[in-house]
Amino acid sequence: DVVMTQTPPSLSVAIGQSVSISCKSSQSLVYSDGKTYLHWLLQSPGQSPKLLIYQVSNLGSGVPDRFSGTGSQKDFTLKISRVEAEDLGVYYCVQATHFPDTFGAGTKLELK
Amino acid sequence: EVKLVESGGGLVQPGRSLKLSCAASGFSFNDYWMGWVRQAPGKGLEWIGEINQDSSTINYTPSLKDKFTISRDNAQNTLYLQMSKLGSEDTAIYYCARGRRFAYWGQGTLVTVSS
Repeated sequence: DVVMTQTPPSLSVAIGQSVSISCKSSQSLVYSDGKTYLHWLLQSPGQSPKLLIYQVSNLGSGVPDRFSGTGSQKDFTLKISRVEAEDLGVYYCVQATHFPDTFGAGTKLELK
Repeated sequence: EVKLVESGGGLVQPGRSLKLSCAASGFSFNDYWMGWVRQAPGKGLEWIGEINQDSSTINYTPSLKDKFTISRDNAQNTLYLQMSKLGSEDTAIYYCARGRRFAYWGQGTLVTVSS
């Protein structure tokens, strides 16, 4: 299975600060169709996960443009500009290029 | 509004079976792949499997392939997860999710396996 390694495991931030989360895969996530099926999810406390970004850099429905995703091949980054209180929770990357889909272990974003 | 509502969870004894349902509304159910993901207490997310629009393709994570069966009823806009030979390691919140990009999730249903 493809191993997804997220760093850091946790982040303590102040409101208004910008942060980045890294996700590295054990194999290239470029599929045979040329697309990269790497997505980012946010699980707010006590909630189910929500899609933030799909295919590396595309914003999910209703997701503010403070969120952005970059990367290619095996190295990906989620950036949150100007963190707001509603952004707190656990962030997961997930790859759907290789069977089976696999998730990163998560990065917990907390208030400083 | 897209809505996914899981049901069927609860307390079940080890070795028994349980069937979960996911009722979908607010979108054309038969146009989308659907999948199941679980989350053990205090842990991360684990992909269980997925089913395509006409049920001709069903994929499972290998470790669960012999225990879990995914199906769907497009007439009822409902996704199912049949679980058998349950063990304590299957205690988790079970989520259904729409599509191969996990665009929408249900609220989850808790399955507790214990005697």
